[in-house]
Amino acid sequence: AQSVTQLDSQVPVFEEAPVELRCNYSSSVSVYLFWYVQYPNQGLQLLLKYLSGSTLVESINGFEAEFNKSQTSFHLRKPSVHISDTAEYFCAVSKNAGGTSYGKLTFGQGTILTVHP
Amino acid sequence: DTGVSQNPRHKITKRGQNVTFRCDPISEHNRLYWYRQTLGQGPEFLTYFQNEAQLEKSRLLSDRFSAERPKGSFSTLEIQRTEQGDSAMYLCASSGDNLEEKLFFGSGTQLSVL
Repeated sequence: AQSVTQLDSQVPVFEEAPVELRCNYSSSVSVYLFWYVQYPNQGLQLLLKYLSGSTLVESINGFEAEFNKSQTSFHLRKPSVHISDTAEYFCAVSKNAGGTSYGKLTFGQGTILTVHP
Repeated sequence: DTGVSQNPRHKITKRGQNVTFRCDPISEHNRLYWYRQTLGQGPEFLTYFQNEAQLEKSRLLSDRFSAERPKGSFSTLEIQRTEQGDSAMYLCASSGDNLEEKLFFGSGTQLSVL
């Protein structure tokens, strides 16, 4: 079985400051890693994912995450946040076993990012 | 396409009553997932359909819960004899058949059991 721990339940930051949302996972098998974001009154949306290859993955809106296998981490970072980044962020994993296991996600508890002006 | 649609958005019921939720996935998506999310927690996997076949069920899905996906289109999730512990947000997601296609989530149905 897999488990995901998001170390911070809430992260308040000021606009244009850097931010890091921490995620650690546990799994006995190889995994895929994801970050999902939920904006107020909207459904979960995929922000970025690590499947294979380069351990640094980026989103279209400036977020990046780095897969660190030795530390079993997948922290999310952004060098300069905007008010519009205020949302809840979820780290998730699924077994890297192909086929139907891909969409069976194990989520962390979520981190609420609040960006203040 | 308007994305994954879930109805109703909110449902309030009394303990012991039966409730049914509906999910309409993105039309060309063959895979459909149900998740449950309680306050302060991330979503938890409940069950998964490939077309009309229910391929996996979580141990969280007690025998009071049943999900169907007739004809591989929309899906329903029914909870019989609801309990207060069933209060949660029920999320539906869909994806295409290609390996590693991303999931699209609906906005969910918020169930409150009084």
